[in-house]
Amino acid sequence: GQSLEQPSEVTAVEGAIVQINCTYQTSGFYGLSWYQQHDGGAPTFLSYNALDGLEETGRFSSFLSRSDSYGYLLLQELQMKDSASYFCAVEIGGSQGNLIFGKGTKLSVKP
Amino acid sequence: EAQVTQNPRYLITVTGKKLTVTCSQNMNHEYMSWYRQDPGLGLRQIYYSMNVEVTDKGDVPEGYKVSRKEKRNFPLILESPSPNQTSLYFCASSFGGSGLFFGEGSRLTVL
Repeated sequence: GQSLEQPSEVTAVEGAIVQINCTYQTSGFYGLSWYQQHDGGAPTFLSYNALDGLEETGRFSSFLSRSDSYGYLLLQELQMKDSASYFCAVEIGGSQGNLIFGKGTKLSVKP
Repeated sequence: EAQVTQNPRYLITVTGKKLTVTCSQNMNHEYMSWYRQDPGLGLRQIYYSMNVEVTDKGDVPEGYKVSRKEKRNFPLILESPSPNQTSLYFCASSFGGSGLFFGEGSRLTVL
């Protein structure tokens, strides 16, 4: 079977740094993506890692280690608006669209 | 404006009454897919399509049908809906390097 594991909930304070981990076990692997979803909204794409290493986009960074089947999303200088659910997703089909999602991590940012 | 449009956004129906959720994208994306989202289960893929007339099953295809006669449209058909298909449904499209672009979601209740 295919599985992606990520923590169900994380709490942090404004201005802090938080790391959301994702480990995966899938039949194929082309890359790891991260998505953000606010309550009542649609998921939105944050980042994609196909190769090992760190990708930085503003306050958000994403890391991948293919040998460890592991990645993480790092959020810096947390803001209240970062309170949302974050999903990791493995691309299994080579089209950057055929994705298997984790169950999501609900991030709560406190003042 | 680039968008994925789903209709209806909200629907309450009864067991066995066939329904179709439409999905249309204006970005000329080749890849489209349907997901359902249930509390605690994350996003699960129902069906996906790599291009016109090319569709394939995702993780939870039972009870659903799809068609891809045109590049822009990817309707989801529930021939005989049952209460366990009560869920939040998302359509998404992708051009490859940009990640998935999601519609606003369709909340379906089957009584």
